[in-house]
Amino acid sequence: AQSVTQPDIHITVSEGASLELRCNYSYGATPYLFWYVQSPGQGLQLLLKYFSGDTLVQGIKGFEAEFKRSQSSFNLRKPSVHWSDAAEYFCAVAPPNTGNQFYFGTGTSLTVIP
Amino acid sequence: EAGVAQSPRYKIIEKRQSVAFWCNPISGHATLYWYQQILGQGPKLLIQFQNNGVVDDSQLPKDRFSAERLKGVDSTLKIQPAKLEDSAVYLCASSLGLEQYFGPGTRLTVT
Repeated sequence: AQSVTQPDIHITVSEGASLELRCNYSYGATPYLFWYVQSPGQGLQLLLKYFSGDTLVQGIKGFEAEFKRSQSSFNLRKPSVHWSDAAEYFCAVAPPNTGNQFYFGTGTSLTVIP
Repeated sequence: EAGVAQSPRYKIIEKRQSVAFWCNPISGHATLYWYQQILGQGPKLLIQFQNNGVVDDSQLPKDRFSAERLKGVDSTLKIQPAKLEDSAVYLCASSLGLEQYFGPGTRLTVT
């Protein structure tokens, strides 16, 4: 079955530590890939996207993500986390030829401790 | 550039009542989406419009949910009658290309 998996429901990191949030997908062809962040009471903000080309993509707020076709993964990383990064993070995929329909993972909640 | 606007931001109703949400997309964005986000889950697409036509409404519970996008600009989503399980955040998004831009959402509580 087609799916988007974010295996970590909740992650806690110390401020200044590195971060990696996992995302795996299960689709026949490589979909378009996105990471969004949602702060409490807010809508979703696009962090970065992958359509094709260089598998390491840079986004806003110092985030980056790497697409690995062999692992069907698109993990989000940040070298040094700031307290303001505490939020909910969603991976989304748009399979090709579906009219840009997004399928979201269940999200990873990030807590940053001082 | 103004973002996606939604109103109201919060709504509390009793079960079996009706409710309507409004969305104004980013100017020029032809595609508009309504998502339902239940607490602890990712957003789930309810309906997708291209201009004023429906592209996909396969996950819209049509016995109680309806949506329209008159004139291909703003849109309304209605629930009638509401059930307890409709408690969620309703997100509107719009796109011109492959990226979707989201509004702040409407948090609905059904008691």
